[in-house]
Amino acid sequence: GENVEQHPSTLSVQEGDSAVIKCTYSDSASNYFPWYKQELGKRPQLIIDIRSNVGEKKDQRIAVTLNKTAKHFSLHITETQPEDSAVYFCAASRGNQGGKLIFGQGTELSVKP
Amino acid sequence: DTGVSQDPRHKITKRGQNVTFRCDPISEHNRLYWYRQTLGQGPEFLTYFQNEAQLEKSRLLSDRFSAERPKGSFSTLEIQRTEQGDSAMYLCASTSSRGAGNTIYFGEGSWLTVV
Repeated sequence: GENVEQHPSTLSVQEGDSAVIKCTYSDSASNYFPWYKQELGKRPQLIIDIRSNVGEKKDQRIAVTLNKTAKHFSLHITETQPEDSAVYFCAASRGNQGGKLIFGQGTELSVKP
Repeated sequence: DTGVSQDPRHKITKRGQNVTFRCDPISEHNRLYWYRQTLGQGPEFLTYFQNEAQLEKSRLLSDRFSAERPKGSFSTLEIQRTEQGDSAMYLCASTSSRGAGNTIYFGEGSWLTVV
């Protein structure tokens, strides 16, 4: 069945360092890959997304790369700040067939000042 | 607030009782999703609607769970004969199937505690 694996489950970095979170997906028909940030007790909020016709997308300190052949995608956060501390979820979907998201297990990022 | 809204935000109920959650999606969104999230896990898909039609239900959704979207606007999720294992946050999300967007927006969730 559809599955998304996310690693690592926890990540601790010093302020200013980079953080990388990796996901692999099983459904080769997936074509939409969003990343969500969730703070404790809050809703998941979209921070960046990528579609299968693009290999890389960047938005200020955040970037996402996609390798469709290997079925994996990664989130890169540069110059991390304490306010980046949260749980990050990757997800995959067949964007044009209902669009339901299959989520990874989450990565708890801690940025130490 | 023009985002996805959910009500109630918190519900404590005794085992065996029924509970109902309501979701109001972003007004122009025709797709509505329900997810369940337990502590330390990612959101888990339950069901989705396009307009008033329920197009997919997860195999994980037991017969005690039912969702409706009668007029293609707000939706309700009812859990009958609640069990302790139903304790979780129930998230609603919406998007539009029109155009090239398809960004899915989440509500703040409804926390359920079954005691």
